[in-house]
Amino acid sequence: ELKVEQNPLFLSMQEGKNYTIYCNYSTTSDRLYWYRQDPGKSLESLFVLLSNGAVKQEGRLMASLDTKARLSTLHITAAVHDLSATYFCAARDYQLIWGAGTKLIIKP
Amino acid sequence: DTGVSQDPRHKITKRGQNVTFRCDPISEHNRLYWYRQTLGQGPEFLTYFQNEAQLEKSRLLSDRFSAERPKGSFSTLEIQRTEQGDSAMYLCASSSTIDREGMNTEAFFGQGTRLTVV
Repeated sequence: ELKVEQNPLFLSMQEGKNYTIYCNYSTTSDRLYWYRQDPGKSLESLFVLLSNGAVKQEGRLMASLDTKARLSTLHITAAVHDLSATYFCAARDYQLIWGAGTKLIIKP
Repeated sequence: DTGVSQDPRHKITKRGQNVTFRCDPISEHNRLYWYRQTLGQGPEFLTYFQNEAQLEKSRLLSDRFSAERPKGSFSTLEIQRTEQGDSAMYLCASSSTIDREGMNTEAFFGQGTRLTVV
């Protein structure tokens, strides 16, 4: 049974700092998704990682996938307040299996 | 607007009443998913359709929950005899068919229906 774990679950950081969110999954899944959710809103797709070693970047966010380690990371560079949100990773079995989310608060 | 739309956005109902939610997926998507999300948690899979066929249903899903997608376009999710524990955000998502690698493609989510059972 595929399980997905994220850490940390909560992160408070200052603007301008760098940090990484980790997503571990328990069984083979060579497709990994990252989504963003603002309070009371739905989920916005950020990245789809398709293969081992995949790296994708959008603005201050960069996601990577290591299928051998069953690990994906979401790296935030020089954080800004607008990136405050909850970030979810999800791996695919027959449907998406989600992590619990990382609530990110970026203080001005 | 060509995204996934859900209706209503909010629903408050008394315990024991039945409720029905609607989801209109992106028109060219043939897969449609229902998820439930409670505060502070990730989405929990409920069921999914490919065209009009319901291909999978979570074993955690009570018999009080039923979903349909009669013409392979919009879908409805009905909850009978609602309980306070049913209070949650109900999310619908759609995606296109599997790609050449045999894997499902990215899912796009609607704004959700927030259900409050009092």
